[in-house]
Amino acid sequence: NFMLTQPHSVSESPGKTVTISCTRSSGSIASNYVQWYQQRPGSAPTTVIYEDNQRPSGVPDRFSGSIDSSSNSASLTISGLKTEDEADYYCQSYDSSNPRGVFGGGTKLTVL
Amino acid sequence: EVQLVESGGGLVQPGRSLRLSCAASGFTFDDYAMHWVRQAPGKGLEWVSGISWNSGSIGYADSVKGRFTISRDNAKNSLYLQMNSLRAEDTALYYCAKDMNQWLSYFDYWGQGTLVTVSS
Repeated sequence: NFMLTQPHSVSESPGKTVTISCTRSSGSIASNYVQWYQQRPGSAPTTVIYEDNQRPSGVPDRFSGSIDSSSNSASLTISGLKTEDEADYYCQSYDSSNPRGVFGGGTKLTVL
Repeated sequence: EVQLVESGGGLVQPGRSLRLSCAASGFTFDDYAMHWVRQAPGKGLEWVSGISWNSGSIGYADSVKGRFTISRDNAKNSLYLQMNSLRAEDTALYYCAKDMNQWLSYFDYWGQGTLVTVSS
């Protein structure tokens, strides 16, 4: 069974760019798509990136996703940071061989 | 508009049972897999269980395997989670989530959750 590991927290200033990583412990990061969810306090999660790098309609193009096979990780990059981006972000993938969903531990983004 | 409305949460003693329900509307329910995802107070998201569009494929997290049972009734557009032998560590907000596909992929819509508290 693989795990997804994220940094516990990141912080950056408004207008800057931040990248949140998500490292897969075993098996290739490219084996199964990675998704990213944003969760604001008191609210349910919403998708900001699906299938590694796709943005749902309504999500600004300041949000982008990628995967890197050399580091076996996925990344969420948010450019032109706004205070409204302050939230918890979770990466998610799935294990096809032992059917289950897998979430990273979450990263708290502070925009200060 | 897609809507997922969970119900059935509450305070329950350790070792007892609880059944959660999720009423779905706004999409063709029997075209998509459905999942339960939970979040303990102040903690991260944990996938609990998922069921494919036709109930042909089912998966459970190791933490609930053998205690929880997921099911769906496509005629009633409803998803269920039967939770037995509840433990304190099962205390969490339980979300119902719609999959983008017929089986395990990602979650494009979420309910607002129903709170389960396991305590004596």
